[in-house]
Amino acid sequence: QQQVKQSPQSLIVQKGGISIINCAYENTAFDYFPWYQQFPGKGPALLIAIRPDVSEKKEGRFTISFNKSAKQFSLHIMDSQPGDSATYFCAASTGTNAGKSTFGDGTTLTVKP
Amino acid sequence: DAGITQSPRHKVTETGTPVTLRCHQTENHRYMYWYRQDPGHGLRLIHYSYGVKDTDKGEVSDGYSVSRSKTEDFLLTLESATSSQTSVYFCAISNRGTDTQYFGPGTRLTVL
Repeated sequence: QQQVKQSPQSLIVQKGGISIINCAYENTAFDYFPWYQQFPGKGPALLIAIRPDVSEKKEGRFTISFNKSAKQFSLHIMDSQPGDSATYFCAASTGTNAGKSTFGDGTTLTVKP
Repeated sequence: DAGITQSPRHKVTETGTPVTLRCHQTENHRYMYWYRQDPGHGLRLIHYSYGVKDTDKGEVSDGYSVSRSKTEDFLLTLESATSSQTSVYFCAISNRGTDTQYFGPGTRLTVL
């Protein structure tokens, strides 16, 4: 049973557009929701993260929106650039579980110039 | 890659042979993790460690064992490799269980 469902699987956006990736979770005990960015041949790297006490967090062009009642969270990339082309993973974990994260299956983003 | 190295970076082996992958960190972080990444499956946790000699299983631990005799090293062993273990393996570290995980560069393992 997959605990974190991510969509879409792939996304193509024009330069300057908004990229939106969605995740839904089932375990209400999750209390940490990071997004990771992965370039080909590299390990994932933390992009931005949120805890359920806030509904939105913004860092530069990247924003996480969090809906606790719907058990959903999403990543918005504003003014998308070709350099943002990568695979994005959402994840969720609980503070009582030694940080064991459950990951979504990933979204491959392509930003066309 | 936050002071994390993995070795080897690439390995090709045959079915039935033992394989050991090494993760080495210079950050003195308490927690270390092994994940495998397969197309369409994201990252799945194999085993993790919350201190020297303290380890526990993840969601896909069958066929894998781990050891951690020093804070800086976390070894993943495939006792008898199978083709289903062909994957990219990532090590990760975190300072506290609730903290961000930092990932190594990965090891691409092919089992023929």
